[in-house]
Amino acid sequence: GENVEQHPSTLSVQEGDSAVIKCTYSDSASNYFPWYKQELGKRPQLIIDIRSNVGEKKDQRIAVTLNKTAKHFSLHITETQPEDSAVYFCAASSTTGAGSYQLTFGKGTKLSVIP
Amino acid sequence: DTEVTQTPKHLVMGMTNKKSLKCEQHMGHRAMYWYKQKAKKPPELMFVYSYEKLSINESVPSRFSPECPNSSLLNLHLHALQPEDSALYLCASSPSVSGAYNEQFFGPGTRLTVL
Repeated sequence: GENVEQHPSTLSVQEGDSAVIKCTYSDSASNYFPWYKQELGKRPQLIIDIRSNVGEKKDQRIAVTLNKTAKHFSLHITETQPEDSAVYFCAASSTTGAGSYQLTFGKGTKLSVIP
Repeated sequence: DTEVTQTPKHLVMGMTNKKSLKCEQHMGHRAMYWYKQKAKKPPELMFVYSYEKLSINESVPSRFSPECPNSSLLNLHLHALQPEDSALYLCASSPSVSGAYNEQFFGPGTRLTVL
């Protein structure tokens, strides 16, 4: 099955600096990679995703890059703000067989933005 | 309506009780999921329903019993739980399970405590 590794497990940055979270995956057939943000006591919220046919996607201050050859993808947050503080999970969508897909999550990164 | 809703928000139950968790979505999604999330851990897949039929059961103990009465509703029936079952139970939905590009949207979760 798919295995997703996520680093670092904790990350502290000064407000205004950039933050980068990296994930690697094992199943070369995986082709959809979402990122979720989970604030304390709240639901995981999809913030950006990337499909295997593109190498980079941006949405305002967040961007995701994908290197299929190396089987890794990264989340980049620029001009960080205190409200970016949360746990971020990467995930990879892989087949379970018979046309079904499921997400495999990384272990999460706790991002703290220091004002 | 672009949300997944869950009731109740909090539930405290004894080990001999029977209770049910409810999930609802009105986005026309044909796949619905139950996840269990322990503190500081990623969501852990329990069950997947596709077109109201159970398609994945991740070896979940029989004290958890899912039910999908129709395409908008998903229940999780609980009986004879153990204290280690205390967790946040998340429901999610996606357009289907048969494509790799399936954005999953999470409900707010039910915080379950088993005494």
